[in-house]
Amino acid sequence: QGQLVESGGGVVQPGKSLRLSCAGSGFTFSSYAMHWVRQAPGQGLEWVAVMSDDGTDKFYADSVKGRFTVSRDNSKNTVYLQMKSLRTEDTALYFCAKDRDSSYRSGWFTLWGQGTLVTVSS
Amino acid sequence: QSVLTQPPSASGTPGQRVTISCSGSNSNIGSNTVNWYQQLPGTAPKVFIYSNNQRPSGVPDRFSASKSGTSASLAISGLQSEDEGDYYCAAWDDSLNVVLFGGGTELTVL
Repeated sequence: QGQLVESGGGVVQPGKSLRLSCAGSGFTFSSYAMHWVRQAPGQGLEWVAVMSDDGTDKFYADSVKGRFTVSRDNSKNTVYLQMKSLRTEDTALYFCAKDRDSSYRSGWFTLWGQGTLVTVSS
Repeated sequence: QSVLTQPPSASGTPGQRVTISCSGSNSNIGSNTVNWYQQLPGTAPKVFIYSNNQRPSGVPDRFSASKSGTSASLAISGLQSEDEGDYYCAAWDDSLNVVLFGGGTELTVL
């Protein structure tokens, strides 16, 4: 089944940047599309971004487009989320999630990490 | 960005049957499969139904789901206290090129 471990969260001021990492293990990382999903305190799930298995395709939620960038290093079994121009409304628990396979259009996340908390506050 | 529409809450007594609806549009539910996630407090979500009506191993057969047109529903029969939690539907949207989540339904077992 595998495991996903996120890191990189913390407290950051509005307008600043932060990079999240998600390390995968126990499965062939390079065969799967990887997603980022966030959850603001007391709120529901919000999909953030996806990167295809080989890194050629990336899609973003409108709320983060132009500010967040997803990338991956399959040699390190890691997917990243570079966040710039952070806003208070970006405060959330950020999860990475593994798609069912290389196709990222299923909405079917078979494995989730435990999440890393990002707090944007002055 | 639009979301899939779910009722914010649902409830039932032990043993009852409860259904949770998820309404979308032609570009998401109408064109793609629906998945359902359960999230217990303080934990990451877990897929409970995938591809409209398939249960992963380990999910009780009390859980079932269906899809018709641009709507989907999750049914839980023989409700148990351990079923309490938040339930989300999710589907890809072909027009927006995003994954959409429903707003979530908080299930309470009275």
